[in-house]
Amino acid sequence: AQSVSQHNHHVILSEAASLELGCNYSYGGTVNLFWYVQYPGQHLQLLLKYFSGDPLVKGIKGFEAEFIKSKFSFNLRKPSVQWSDTAEYFCAVITYSSASKIIFGSGTRLSIRP
Amino acid sequence: DVKVTQSSRYLVKRTGEKVFLECVQDMDHENMFWYRQDPGLGLRLIYFSYDVKMKEKGDIPEGYSVSREKKERFSLILESASTNQTSMYLCASSFSGLAFFGQGTRLTVV
Repeated sequence: AQSVSQHNHHVILSEAASLELGCNYSYGGTVNLFWYVQYPGQHLQLLLKYFSGDPLVKGIKGFEAEFIKSKFSFNLRKPSVQWSDTAEYFCAVITYSSASKIIFGSGTRLSIRP
Repeated sequence: DVKVTQSSRYLVKRTGEKVFLECVQDMDHENMFWYRQDPGLGLRLIYFSYDVKMKEKGDIPEGYSVSREKKERFSLILESASTNQTSMYLCASSFSGLAFFGQGTRLTVV
């Protein structure tokens, strides 16, 4: 079965530190990849997406992610985090083996110290 | 803007009750989903639907059923609520792989 793994459950950083959150998926076919963010008290919203083309994708608020097909990975990065980046981050995959099922990872909680 | 609306923000129900969670989207999306979100477990797919009257089980369908009589509405039904179904329930609709979420319903079963 398809799955998405996020190995970091809780990451604590100071402001201006660099961020990298890991995401690996298990599926050998065509996938589209996403990062969603959930700020405290708010609903999930799209941060960035990869469908095809340049494997380095840029999203909102200075985030970017790199798709490495050989490693089945789609890690999220930001060079310098801000306190307002405190949120939970979810990696997600959509596969096209059957209907368009969207599968989420377990999430990474990011806490930024001011 | 796409709008996905869940009928209740908070619900408290008793064990054994039948519970209906309603979700409506206004963008004519074919795909709709129900997830539950629990700390440390992320979003787990309960059921999804890719067309009216069509449904497929997700990863944790036990204890749940769904109904999609109209394209814009996707209902999640807990036939007999149990305390282990206390959770945050999220509805989503999607188009071309992009998912849009409702604000969530926090259900407490006592």
